[in-house]
Amino acid sequence: AQSVTQPDIHITVSEGASLELRCNYSYGATPYLFWYVQSPGQGLQLLLKYFSGDTLVQGIKGFEAEFKRSQSSFNLRKPSVHWSDAAEYFCAVGLISNFGNEKLTFGTGTRLTIIP
Amino acid sequence: GAGVSQSPRYKVAKRGQDVALRCDPISGHVSLFWYQQALGQGPEFLTYFQNEAQLDKSGLPSDRFFAERPEGSVSTLKIQRTQQEDSAVYLCASSGDRGNTEAFFGQGTRLTVV
Repeated sequence: AQSVTQPDIHITVSEGASLELRCNYSYGATPYLFWYVQSPGQGLQLLLKYFSGDTLVQGIKGFEAEFKRSQSSFNLRKPSVHWSDAAEYFCAVGLISNFGNEKLTFGTGTRLTIIP
Repeated sequence: GAGVSQSPRYKVAKRGQDVALRCDPISGHVSLFWYQQALGQGPEFLTYFQNEAQLDKSGLPSDRFFAERPEGSVSTLKIQRTQQEDSAVYLCASSGDRGNTEAFFGQGTRLTVV
């Protein structure tokens, strides 16, 4: 069965510093890969997604992610974080189920804290 | 509305009580999903609708969970005889097609069973 691992439960970064959030997946074929952000009391917002093609994906809010098949990874990066980036970040794998629908399998999330 | 709307935002239920959670998807969206997010965890898939048809209910944890979308728009997730382990945030998402399109999530309903 597919799975998503986010090894870092909590990361603290200084404002203006660079950020990398790790994500590893387990799946037999090339999956669809997503990063979502969840602010307190809010729903999930899509940051970026990878389906095929260029392995470096650009997203909203200055985020990017790189798909590395050899490492089964899809790490999220941002060159300079802002205080407003403090939130919970979820990596997800999208698969087509036996019923024909796409469904997402999420990691357990990484909580990002920004310090001044 | 502009986004996916869920109500109520918060629900406290006594153990054994039945609850109904509502989801208003983005107008015209064909696909609708329900996810359950336990505290400190990522969301977990519950069920999927394509219009009014419930095509995938493989994630529903027990037969106490029931979802419907009778007219292909608003959906209701019902939980009968709630248990403490049902306490979670229930997220609804909709998308325009079952293909590679973005799913838009609502803010969720936080259910606390006491």
